[in-house]
Amino acid sequence: QVQLVESGGGVVQPGRSLRLSCEASGYTFSRHGMHWVRQGPGKGLEWVAAIWNDGSKTDYGDSVRGRFTISRDNSKNTLYLQMTSLRVEDTAVYYCARDNWIVGSITSYDYWGLGTLVTVSS
Amino acid sequence: DIQMTQSPSSLSASVGDRVTITCRASQSIRNYLNWYQQKSGKAPKLLIYAASGLQSGVPSRFSGSASGTDFTLTISSLQPEDFATYYCHQSYSAPVTFGQGTRLEIK
Repeated sequence: QVQLVESGGGVVQPGRSLRLSCEASGYTFSRHGMHWVRQGPGKGLEWVAAIWNDGSKTDYGDSVRGRFTISRDNSKNTLYLQMTSLRVEDTAVYYCARDNWIVGSITSYDYWGLGTLVTVSS
Repeated sequence: DIQMTQSPSSLSASVGDRVTITCRASQSIRNYLNWYQQKSGKAPKLLIYAASGLQSGVPSRFSGSASGTDFTLTISSLQPEDFATYYCHQSYSAPVTFGQGTRLEIK
């Protein structure tokens, strides 16, 4: 069965850095694009970043572009999110999600991790 | 960015009711629209993809439809486990965006 397990969250001061990981299992990791989606306390869902299945292309939301970097290691079945210059408003639960895109269909997120909480506070 | 506007923001209904949630896109997104259900403290779950495709394992009481830039999620007969927050999601153009959510509560 497909599983996505995030780790690396915690409490960090503004301006500091943090790296999140998402370990995938139960499917061929290298065949699917991956995304990070976050949810601030009591708020809705916000897309953060995406990476193609082979890592050749990435994209970011405006609120994190230039501060966050998404990457993946297909040999380790692991997705990463390097977060720098963290702000109080980056406080959220961060989910990794699998892109279900196949030829003839559209991007949707068919599997999600349980999420990891990042709290940015002084 | 494409704005996705859901209505209503919250809704009270009873078990057995038929419920409809609407999502309007600020421009054409063709059928690039997905629906997710999120229960408190849990990750979102994909219900409907490409406007009307029922995700594997999702009960058939859930359905989706589209008319131009308006999209609808319908639950034909509410069950106790359906009380949750529902989000629409457009994947037509970057950045992908979500609606603000519709909270479905027990009346």
